[in-house]
Amino acid sequence: KAGVTQTPRYLIKTRGQQVTLSCSPISGHRSVSWYQQTPGQGLQFLFEYFSETQRNKGNFPGRFSGRQFSNSRSEMNVSTLELGDSALYLCASSRGLNAGELFFGEGSRLTVL
Amino acid sequence: GIQVEQSPPDLILQEGANSTLRCNFSDSVNNLQWFHQNPWGQLINLFYIPSGTKQNGRLSATTVATERYSLLYISSSQTTDSGVYFCAVDGGNNRKLIWGLGTSLGVNP
Repeated sequence: KAGVTQTPRYLIKTRGQQVTLSCSPISGHRSVSWYQQTPGQGLQFLFEYFSETQRNKGNFPGRFSGRQFSNSRSEMNVSTLELGDSALYLCASSRGLNAGELFFGEGSRLTVL
Repeated sequence: GIQVEQSPPDLILQEGANSTLRCNFSDSVNNLQWFHQNPWGQLINLFYIPSGTKQNGRLSATTVATERYSLLYISSSQTTDSGVYFCAVDGGNNRKLIWGLGTSLGVNP
């Protein structure tokens, strides 16, 4: 079966712009979580969605937001981009809210100039 | 919160060598996963192993939950094993995974 699909894979934006990233989970998986990976900070949890509701949230400013649709696909949005938002954004899916095993997509690499 | 420490931070091997990577965690956990991040950034599931031992080909992992550590064994290493190996644990309160900083592995031909 198809894995986790993230789009776009690469994108370049300038400061002040906004960006939307998309994630399609594995078929049958209902939980989607997002992570930011930077060289200095490692993997940082952004948020998790299950049944179209945000269930957990990491320590990121309000510029970072997300949503989940009825088909479990998820989007995350970053507004008013800053240079420090340059990172690899990874999406992971799991079967359910209490199902621990995560499967990751290939990531969306964002560069902010 | 739970702290996750991985060692060693960096490791260079000759092809064919064996290695052991360690993950220590500071509190009891509901689950523990090992991942391999390839040079292109993708995180690949290796093991979901809250306790016990599992093997998959040249890789195996053991988690001793009562002593709060997990080990990842790589035998007969190959150049394709290069990348970063992460350990991540779920402490249960809010279910988000807590990640170690990884072990960067390089395998030379």
